[in-house]
Amino acid sequence: QVQLQESGPGLVKPSETLSLTCAVSGYSISSGYYWGWIRQPPGKGLEWIGSIYHSGSTYYNPSLKSRVTISVDTSKNQFSLKLSSVTAADTAVYYCARDLEWEPTRYFDYWGQGTLVTVSS
Amino acid sequence: QSVLTQPPSASGTPGQRVTISCSGSSSNIGSNTVNWYQQLPGTAPKLLIYSNNQRPSGVPDRFSGSKSGTSASLAISGLQSEDEADYYCAAWDDSLNGRWVFGGGTKLTVL
Repeated sequence: QVQLQESGPGLVKPSETLSLTCAVSGYSISSGYYWGWIRQPPGKGLEWIGSIYHSGSTYYNPSLKSRVTISVDTSKNQFSLKLSSVTAADTAVYYCARDLEWEPTRYFDYWGQGTLVTVSS
Repeated sequence: QSVLTQPPSASGTPGQRVTISCSGSSSNIGSNTVNWYQQLPGTAPKLLIYSNNQRPSGVPDRFSGSKSGTSASLAISGLQSEDEADYYCAAWDDSLNGRWVFGGGTKLTVL
């Protein structure tokens, strides 16, 4: 059973960098597939942040691309998110998920439980 | 403003059949498969339907999906109280070098 677990600070100051890690168990990241980050502001819908392939190639949401970096550490079987210059608008529950591409289809099949990150001074 | 358009709310009584629509464009639903996610209160989204109409193991056959052109639909038959949740459609979008797009979500209330 594939499991994902987000970790990181729950409170980040405005203008600083939000950093989260997603630890994967039950599947080796180096075996393949993309791995993604999705966020959900309180009371709002889902927004895709970006996805990374096990080899390191990335796709980012164009609206966040200038502030986002996603990286992968196959030795630790985890991947990470960095979002710079945060504002209150970045307050959200952040989810990590497996982004399974299996031509001709693609979907998020396993999700972490999510972690709330609040941006406030 | 979400790229995929869903009604904000839907409702039905136990046993009824309800449908939730999802409208997109040629670069997303028109070109790629559609997925549906169910989000129960206070929990992470769960894959409900993938590849337009496929159910993952463990999802009851009361849930079904369909796609036509640039629109998709989720149908729930034999509505149960535990189906009360938020439902999101999603599709890969080929524009802007590729991106995931989601619908704004539909809150389903079981009356």
